[in-house]
Amino acid sequence: EPEVTQTPSHQVTQMGQEVILRCVPISNHLYFYWYRQILGQKVEFLVSFYNNEISEKSEIFDDQFSVERPDGSNFTLKIRSTKLEDSAMYFCASSPQVFSQPQHFGDGTRLSIL
Amino acid sequence: GENVEQHPSTLSVQEGDSAVIKCTYSDSASNYFPWYKQELGKRPQLIIDIRSNVGEKKDQRIAVTLNKTAKHFSLHITETQPEDSAVYFCAASIRVGTGNQFYFGTGTSLTVIP
Repeated sequence: EPEVTQTPSHQVTQMGQEVILRCVPISNHLYFYWYRQILGQKVEFLVSFYNNEISEKSEIFDDQFSVERPDGSNFTLKIRSTKLEDSAMYFCASSPQVFSQPQHFGDGTRLSIL
Repeated sequence: GENVEQHPSTLSVQEGDSAVIKCTYSDSASNYFPWYKQELGKRPQLIIDIRSNVGEKKDQRIAVTLNKTAKHFSLHITETQPEDSAVYFCAASIRVGTGNQFYFGTGTSLTVIP
């Protein structure tokens, strides 16, 4: 069964540095998402992406964040000038269609900001 | 925006008993409701979902019911097994423009006691 893959599995970064989290969605999927889960808390929606542009974003997804699909297969989340509170598990997900379709999650990247 | 509340936060049941987890949502525009199972340190995995034009859906030992009028939906697990132990998240999805947002509940930690 095809899977969403994310790299790296764990990223440790100094506060103030930029990080790029990478995701390879399932190949025939058209919609991509990033979520954040702070340890022990619920999953929080960050952004959805379709047709090479952001289709929806949450209040969390401020100017510090950006997403990109640089080469037709990868889907990246960039966090500029990281803060301690950015420490969390970041999940990428994809779905074949936008509406009422199950999302397939990757294994996540654990981001630790020191 | 949408607000999803989930209860209980923890639930312990004896093996073989049933478990019920309840969620409420606030925005009547929500029309897709997935349930995810998340084992410790792993990705959320979709276990069942329901669309707003359906009142009930069943898949073996798992069922979901939806009451649109009352804006609540529930997960029912029958004949629970130790491997059902995990955190369960409900979610509500609203279509916004070309994208959609998913709002997750706070999770229920289910423990099935052998």
